[in-house]
Amino acid sequence: DIVMTQTPLSLSVTPGQPASISCKSSQSLENSYGKARLYWYLQKAGQPPRLLIYDVSNRFSRVPDRFSGSGSGTDFTLKISRVEAEDVGVYYCMQSLQLPLTFGGGTKVEIK
Amino acid sequence: EVQLVESGGGLVQPGGSLRLSCAVSGFTFSDHYMDWVRQAPGKGLEWVGRTTNKANSYTTEYAASVKGRFIISRDDSKNSLYLQMNSLKTEDTAVYYCARRSTMMNGMDVWGQGTTATVSS
Repeated sequence: DIVMTQTPLSLSVTPGQPASISCKSSQSLENSYGKARLYWYLQKAGQPPRLLIYDVSNRFSRVPDRFSGSGSGTDFTLKISRVEAEDVGVYYCMQSLQLPLTFGGGTKVEIK
Repeated sequence: EVQLVESGGGLVQPGGSLRLSCAVSGFTFSDHYMDWVRQAPGKGLEWVGRTTNKANSYTTEYAASVKGRFIISRDDSKNSLYLQMNSLKTEDTAVYYCARRSTMMNGMDVWGQGTTATVSS
């Protein structure tokens, strides 16, 4: 199974400041076409996860442009350019290159 | 509006069975692969399994932790997805989410609100 490791475990951010979350996979997530199957989800308290980013860097529908994803191979990053209060929650990365789908352990983002 | 609504959760004793349902609306269910993902209390997300669509022979795959005990099925005529959980263990206690697999990328793009299964004596 592909192991997904997220850091940090938690993040406390002042509103308006940037935030960055790292996700590393135990093997490359790039398929035979060179596309990495890496996704980012945000789960707010009491809610299901919501898709933010797909295929490393593509923002999903209605996701604000302050969210961006980057990376390749085994190293990926989610960045929030200016954190807002509504961004609090737990962020998960996920790979879908191969089954079983696996998730990172999550990064909890709080507002200072 | 795209909607996924899970039901069927509850309290069951270890060794018992539970059948979860996921009713979908607002999209062509038969086109999509569907997944089940669970979340134990206070823990992260764990993929349970998925079913492909009719075009791909309704193939199912499971996480090792549930293989042989859980069965995923679907009824496209009823726009419904199911998770039959047998030989339940206390560690199966979780919120169970059904999720739609996107047809344009290989991830889950829409999730239900979840239903809670509690396995306890």
